[in-house]
Amino acid sequence: AAGVIQSPRHLIKEKRETATLKCYPIPRHDTVYWYQQGPGQDPQFLISFYEKMQSDKGSIPDRFSAQQFSDYHSELNMSSLELGDSALYFCASSNGRRGGNEQFFGPGTRLTVL
Amino acid sequence: GDSVTQMEGPVTLSEEAFLTINCTYTATGYPSLFWYVQYPGEGLQLLLKATKADDKGSNKGFEATYRKETTSFHLEKGSVQVSDSAVYFCALIGTNAGNNRKLIWGLGTSLAVNP
Repeated sequence: AAGVIQSPRHLIKEKRETATLKCYPIPRHDTVYWYQQGPGQDPQFLISFYEKMQSDKGSIPDRFSAQQFSDYHSELNMSSLELGDSALYFCASSNGRRGGNEQFFGPGTRLTVL
Repeated sequence: GDSVTQMEGPVTLSEEAFLTINCTYTATGYPSLFWYVQYPGEGLQLLLKATKADDKGSNKGFEATYRKETTSFHLEKGSVQVSDSAVYFCALIGTNAGNNRKLIWGLGTSLAVNP
């Protein structure tokens, strides 16, 4: 079965650079969630989209932005990167219209800021 | 707001030992409850879930029962294996989440199983 795809899997950036993380949800899933997991930490919710509209916002810095496109894939744009942005970034998808609340996670993008 | 509390780790067990990882929650109504597992260097995988009181989720020998009266969802396994070594996260989605169904996470419990 198709799973959530994230790219890239690994990314190394310098401070103050920008990064774009991509997430391709499971086909027919209309809801995408972004989470950030620091080393040894629990995942922290960043932002979510339902039917291409932002549905909820968590602890996402103003330096970050995200959107969901017409094909339901989502991109997380990160600017002015800081050392503290080094983390695993997970994307999850679900089918909101069917009322399902199970979220399926991608493998994550490991971002290292030097 | 909604929250999840799970026992602190690390938990170290010998192979074939009995495992319990405690998880309690605070939420209004009837949240959906989940256990996720994260193996070293990997992503988050759903281990099991329960969506209403007294439901028992089970998978790969792991079980957890949704206890409304004690607001708990403890994870158990009768005989752990070395391959169960991972970090286990308890999580919930609130009843009133609507389309904002973000997961509320516990801090995770690291399990190490020795041969």
